[in-house]
Amino acid sequence: DADVTQTPRNRITKTGKRIMLECSQTKGHDRMYWYRQDPGLGLRLIYYSFDVKDINKGEISDGYSVSRQAQAKFSLSLESAIPNQTALYFCATSDQFSGNTIYFGEGSWLTVV
Amino acid sequence: ELKVEQNPLFLSMQEGKNYTIYCDYSTTSDRLYWYRQDPGKSLESLFVLLSNGAVKQEGRLMASLDTKARLSTLHITAAVHDLSATYFCAVDEEGAQKLVFGQGTRLTINP
Repeated sequence: DADVTQTPRNRITKTGKRIMLECSQTKGHDRMYWYRQDPGLGLRLIYYSFDVKDINKGEISDGYSVSRQAQAKFSLSLESAIPNQTALYFCATSDQFSGNTIYFGEGSWLTVV
Repeated sequence: ELKVEQNPLFLSMQEGKNYTIYCDYSTTSDRLYWYRQDPGKSLESLFVLLSNGAVKQEGRLMASLDTKARLSTLHITAAVHDLSATYFCAVDEEGAQKLVFGQGTRLTINP
């Protein structure tokens, strides 16, 4: 089983709908991140959390919200999806004891039509 | 604002050849990451470079970091087809493991 699990892996949704992407990790890390990747581009940081009570905006947080339900769970929500939010979304985890390695999930493909 | 620039963005090369991918960044940082991504897949960690002058090698790939020049390189030696992928560098902004990524270099290695 993957250490960082994302659900759903693929989703097509309609404009205006609410959609949630979920991430869970078994590595015991305290830091979790949501990134977005657009075709042909690098990843951009949406939100990050350094512990359950800590939530921070990243570079492109507009139109997104997050919830850190537990140390192992970090979900990303699009309250009212729009087509330009069509992208590949990655969850990632790390901590100060992980040897500076940041571990990425398998990604969630989201298409907004 | 930290900016990370990779070049080239596209690279097609023949097996057996050597080449280098460059990663420039705009502000002070001493932590740089290299990742590999196959189409539609997750990111695989290749190297984490943590200090000026750091050099790491794994197989046909070697990465180095010059923090004074704000430059990292990923050198490919005697390329083989299996190295075809997109390679990203990413810089740790503020030392908080918040990564700012380059655009990626799509590498195609032809037999």
